[in-house]
Amino acid sequence: SQQGEEDPQALSIQEGENATMNCSYKTSINNLQWYRQNSGRGLVHLILIRSNEREKHSGRLRVTLDTSKKSSSLLITASRAADTASYFCATDPYYTGANSKLTFGKGITLSVRP
Amino acid sequence: DTGVSQDPRHKITKRGQNVTFRCDPISEHNRLYWYRQTLGQGPEFLTYFQNEAQLEKSRLLSDRFSAERPKGSFSTLEIQRTEQGDSAMYLCASSLARGLAGVSYNEQFFGPGTRLTVL
Repeated sequence: SQQGEEDPQALSIQEGENATMNCSYKTSINNLQWYRQNSGRGLVHLILIRSNEREKHSGRLRVTLDTSKKSSSLLITASRAADTASYFCATDPYYTGANSKLTFGKGITLSVRP
Repeated sequence: DTGVSQDPRHKITKRGQNVTFRCDPISEHNRLYWYRQTLGQGPEFLTYFQNEAQLEKSRLLSDRFSAERPKGSFSTLEIQRTEQGDSAMYLCASSLARGLAGVSYNEQFFGPGTRLTVL
């Protein structure tokens, strides 16, 4: 089953605008990761935020994590047409001992109009 | 290119045939994962290896599916007696598992995927 739920399911914005995508999850996590996928291709890792972190930046990306609300947001600033893709949040669940598998949401389709 | 590679990129087969996919992870990574992704969905976990040991298998992985990582490097995923419902993108990922006090930071890097079409 898929734990992460992204919101909205689809987002269309004008180039230069900011895009905000949200993710909610259900169980305790070690970390949460955001990935991008261009049509029909593999996933590209964007950013990882640990459960003890609240905010993280990477270039035009800003990720926040609220473990009390079990939610995360991804902000892409000054969007470009090349940002058009599907975006997935994935949670790395907290287990004692071996852990590994990521649980993905269904993804958000972002369209950036030139 | 030192990323994760998968072969073949596309596979078309007839129902009932066997298929095998290969994944070469990033060389220093000790963990290797297989996921399956169908249209409009996120990837779903199938199985993972730490070195050559297969440590977890999803209930999605029926008896027709088998994965190996014989020397702790590349991995193969075989599907026997393929069915039309097996049509999907099969993704491989690798990571370097490291941990402090039992917590593992599990950044995974994905390959381009193998798209399987079963006719």
